[in-house]
Amino acid sequence: NAGVMQNPRHLVRRRGQEARLRCSPMKGHSHVYWYRQLPEEGLKFMVYLQKENIIDESGMPKERFSAEFPKEGPSILRIQQVVRGDSAAYFCASSLRTELGTEAFFGQGTRLTVV
Amino acid sequence: AQRVTQPEKLLSVFKGAPVELKCNYSYSGSPELFWYVQYSRQRLQLLLRHISRESIKGFTADLNKGETSFHLKKPFAQEEDSAMYYCAPHTGRRALTFGSGTRLQVQP
Repeated sequence: NAGVMQNPRHLVRRRGQEARLRCSPMKGHSHVYWYRQLPEEGLKFMVYLQKENIIDESGMPKERFSAEFPKEGPSILRIQQVVRGDSAAYFCASSLRTELGTEAFFGQGTRLTVV
Repeated sequence: AQRVTQPEKLLSVFKGAPVELKCNYSYSGSPELFWYVQYSRQRLQLLLRHISRESIKGFTADLNKGETSFHLKKPFAQEEDSAMYYCAPHTGRRALTFGSGTRLQVQP
């Protein structure tokens, strides 16, 4: 099992462009979570998805950000019209379940730089 | 509201010194408590969980329900313990949320 895979590892975008971040969960995991880590800050929850469903997007900015986890393929975090403040590390995690005590497994993150 | 607090952003100690990374939580119900660690240039990974009551890499954490705390402790810090540590209560059927993290620096 290759673990949670995120790509690209590094992404540079000019202001106004779109950024697409991909996350392939561990094999057999149907729960995916996205987190953002700003420089010198902790992890902030963004969105929690199951296959074809958004379960909790309470941490997602209302505009420009969207996420999906289709039946087939990786989960995608999409940021439209990026701004400098979007520069951060974006981490994806997956879990087998969400029952109490379930461990989450993390990817290595995508570092987005907006220039 | 559910909240987890790690009051120290940075904790710097010398090698061999005891370490305590503080975590306080305010959650309804009885959450499960985790500590996750992120070493430099590595992915975030589980360090230990309350329910298993185990010691990992010399670290232990005691859940104090009265004080709603889950402090992480190690009697003798090592340089390789330098990392970012996150406390994470989990209530089930929700995404894992993290404290703001504490950066531990162990100096030689």
